[in-house]
Amino acid sequence: DAKTTQPPSMDCAEGRAANLPCNHSTISGNEYVYWYRQIHSQGPQYIIHGLKNNETNEMASLIITEDRKSSTLILPHATLRDIAVYYCIAPSSGTYKYIFGTGTRLKVLA
Amino acid sequence: NAGVTQTPKFQVLKTGQSMTLQCAQDMNHEYMSWYRQDPGMGLRLIHYSVGAGITDQGEVPNGYNVSRSTTEDFPLRLLSAAPSQTSVYFCASKGQFVHTGELFFGEGSRLTVL
Repeated sequence: DAKTTQPPSMDCAEGRAANLPCNHSTISGNEYVYWYRQIHSQGPQYIIHGLKNNETNEMASLIITEDRKSSTLILPHATLRDIAVYYCIAPSSGTYKYIFGTGTRLKVLA
Repeated sequence: NAGVTQTPKFQVLKTGQSMTLQCAQDMNHEYMSWYRQDPGMGLRLIHYSVGAGITDQGEVPNGYNVSRSTTEDFPLRLLSAAPSQTSVYFCASKGQFVHTGELFFGEGSRLTVL
C-alpha cells in the first residue's frame, strides 16, 4: 500500500466546508485513493474514491493533485452528523491489503 | 440484503479460552477481511481472503486463524485468548476483485479477555 499521512485532528465550524488533507506521496500510477469515515464505534463507511480526476458524489468531493501525491476530501457544509474519524487509504493493486492507519478526527463546532 | 453480519456483538472470555467470531455476507462478495480496533486507535488488518479456499495474513495475524470454505462466511478463530486481544473486531467484504469498489463493514464484535 502507498503510505498515507493525515493530520490527527481538525476543527470545522458548522455549515462551513471541511477540507481534510491526505498525503500519499508513494502512490503508484494505478492505485486508487479511497476515503472512509467512522462515526463513533460503528463500522467504517465508504465515502468516495478516485484515481486521477476530481470526483463528487452526494456525500463529498475528492480533489486529487495532478502529481497524485496528495488529495483533499471536501465536505461542503459540515454538520454535527459529520463528526467522525476520516480515513484515507491507497491500497496496492497487487496485494489486496486495505491498510487504514489512524485517520483524522473531525470536530464540528456548533 | 442483510449486508455483512457479525456474531456475537459482545463476548467476554477468560485468558486461554478459545472462540470463533462469525462473519457472513449475502452480497456474493469475493473479498473478505478482518480488522481489530483498539481504544482510540485506527483499524489494523488481521487476515483477508480473496475467495473461497484462499486466505492471507494482514498486519497483525499472530494469535488468529481464519478459513474460507464458502464465499459467504469468513470466521475468525482465537485459539488461546490473551488480554492483549481485547478489542473491537470488524469484518468487511468487497465485491469487485480489482480495486474499484468499496469495502462494506459489519457492525463490529466487542471482545473482552479477562
